[in-house]
Amino acid sequence: GESVGLHLPTLSVQEGDNSIINCAYSNSASDYFIWYKQESGKGPQFIIDIRSNMDKRQGQRVTVLLNKTVKHLSLQIAATQPGDSAVYFCARGLETSGSRLTFGEGTQLTVNP
Amino acid sequence: DAMVIQNPRYQVTQFGKPVTLSCSQTLNHNVMYWYQQKSSQAPKLLFHYYDKDFNNEADTPDNFQSRRPNTSFCFLDIRSPGLGDAAMYLCATSRDRRGGTYEQYFGPGTRLTVT
Repeated sequence: GESVGLHLPTLSVQEGDNSIINCAYSNSASDYFIWYKQESGKGPQFIIDIRSNMDKRQGQRVTVLLNKTVKHLSLQIAATQPGDSAVYFCARGLETSGSRLTFGEGTQLTVNP
Repeated sequence: DAMVIQNPRYQVTQFGKPVTLSCSQTLNHNVMYWYQQKSSQAPKLLFHYYDKDFNNEADTPDNFQSRRPNTSFCFLDIRSPGLGDAAMYLCATSRDRRGGTYEQYFGPGTRLTVT
């Protein structure tokens, strides 16, 4: 069956450092992946997405890397700020499933001043 | 400007007493979703509407129902809430874009407490 999971439940970094949040998936039949950020008491917020035919995509201060060989996805956050403290979820989607997303378990990122 | 609005933000109901959560959107998206999220867990899809077509997840209990009277509104009905149904309920929308990704826009959620 399909599943998406994260390597670590928590990650603590110092302000200004780079953060790397990892995600592993088991089903290679994925069309795209999305990273979401969820702050306490709020709904998930879109960060960045990547289609399965890509290896890398960059946004503002964020980079997503996709390694299909080992079925691994990572989110890199440059110069992490206190406002980046949140739970981060990866999710995978299949176009044949319409718009359904399967979420992995979250990683709690804590940024220490 | 709020794009996906959920009301109420906090809802307390009694065990077994029907409750309805509402969601509205100003994005004119054709797909609307309901997720259940329990503490420290990933959102779990309950069902979604693709336009007027209802798509139920296989493991969603019959206790959960949904209605979508028009493009803008979608409701989650819990017919007989149990203690295990206490959770955050998230509504999301997306625009179907073949060849693109399906970014989902989430509302702030309704936190349901069952007493």
